[in-house]
Amino acid sequence: GAVVSQHPSWVICKSGTSVKIECRSLDFQATTMFWYRQFPKQSLMLMATSNEGSKATYEQGVEKDKFLINHASLTLSTLTVTSAHPEDSSFYICSASSVEGAGINYEQYFGPGTRLTVT
Amino acid sequence: DAKTTQPTSMDCAEGRAANLPCNHSTISGNEYVYWYRQIHSQGPQYIIHGLKNNETNEMASLIITEDRKSSTLILPHATLRDTAVYYCIAEATNTGKLIFGQGTTLQVKP
Repeated sequence: GAVVSQHPSWVICKSGTSVKIECRSLDFQATTMFWYRQFPKQSLMLMATSNEGSKATYEQGVEKDKFLINHASLTLSTLTVTSAHPEDSSFYICSASSVEGAGINYEQYFGPGTRLTVT
Repeated sequence: DAKTTQPTSMDCAEGRAANLPCNHSTISGNEYVYWYRQIHSQGPQYIIHGLKNNETNEMASLIITEDRKSSTLILPHATLRDTAVYYCIAEATNTGKLIFGQGTTLQVKP
């Protein structure tokens, strides 16, 4: 199956600093990438949808100025957590899909996740 | 996206079939039923999806009722490595957005 990688796999940063997380599709071109956040013992929460070359669409309640998403190429999307605070500590997961045939998205391929700890 | 309802947890004996139910009574005609699973501290893994017909792949089988209001994921011979949270999602392919519910925690026991 298709492979999606994330870097870094874990990161610790100080409160007030910014952190960038990369999501790459290794063997396919991802027309759409998604970013999720998962707190301990909770389900995944969709944060935003990004299409290559266009602005990301954020879900209700997600601050677009705090979580900057860039999808500059068909194989790379980045999520930057700006001015991070301890409450931003979470497991961040990306996924990627490609549009086939008649514009239908089927499987999404998920990255392994990035664990962010803000101290 | 249609809301789905799953039992919070289930146990299954190793080597036996695991049958995971999902209710999606408000599913729309253009929404597929997707199943993903998440092993602890990893990204979700795609298992299978279907629209109307039953589907089978190397991992599992998906049985969808004729009225499409419910479905069952079947892992034919569960192993300890199948212990995970299983998510049933109803999603329209033109949005691509997967809205995860709480899922079913499947514990496979020796």
